[in-house]
Amino acid sequence: GDSVTQMEGPVTLSEEAFLTINCTYTATGYPSLFWYVQYPGEGLQLLLKATKADDKGSNKGFEATYRKETTSFHLEKGSVQVSDSAVYFCALSGTNAGKSTFGDGTTLTVKP
Amino acid sequence: SAVISQKPSRDICQRGTSLTIQCQVDSQVTMMFWYRQQPGQSLTLIATANQGSEATYESGFVIDKFPISRPNLTFSTLTVSNMSPEDSSIYLCSVARRTAGNTEAFFGQGTRLTVV
Repeated sequence: GDSVTQMEGPVTLSEEAFLTINCTYTATGYPSLFWYVQYPGEGLQLLLKATKADDKGSNKGFEATYRKETTSFHLEKGSVQVSDSAVYFCALSGTNAGKSTFGDGTTLTVKP
Repeated sequence: SAVISQKPSRDICQRGTSLTIQCQVDSQVTMMFWYRQQPGQSLTLIATANQGSEATYESGFVIDKFPISRPNLTFSTLTVSNMSPEDSSIYLCSVARRTAGNTEAFFGQGTRLTVV
């Protein structure tokens, strides 16, 4: 079945540092790929998405590129802020009747 | 896109009671999905709710504990029955929609349940 593997956390960075959170997937067919963010005490929010190979999703300074050859969708941001502290989930959907498969989540803490 | 309204947004319940969570979508969808997110954990699919038939449950989830209704193509409910503190979680409703040949998932804001 489908699976998503995320870089283990927690990740702690200083403000303005570069962020990479690795995500790789296993799926049949051609899934859509997503990054969701969950701020402390809040619900799940879609951060960005990519629906086909070589697509780049971007939002709020975050980027991720759909790499079919390496089955990856790594999340990057050039300069993180304290307000980016949250849990980040990589997910895929579209191969199994609309079900979504999530990674375990990566907790990011950004210190001033 | 799809607009999903879930309610209640949060609740605190006594153990042994039941809570019904409602999910309303702004347009007709064939399948709706219910997920659980336990504290500090990722999201786990509970079941798929199909209109006009019984829900399909994932391994580890049973209808007696999580009965689901799907009376029409825009609405579904999930009931958490005979609650215990272990049921304290965020419960999320989701739909999938095909756009331009791809399928995208949309989520409600979730129901944060605390069982005391």
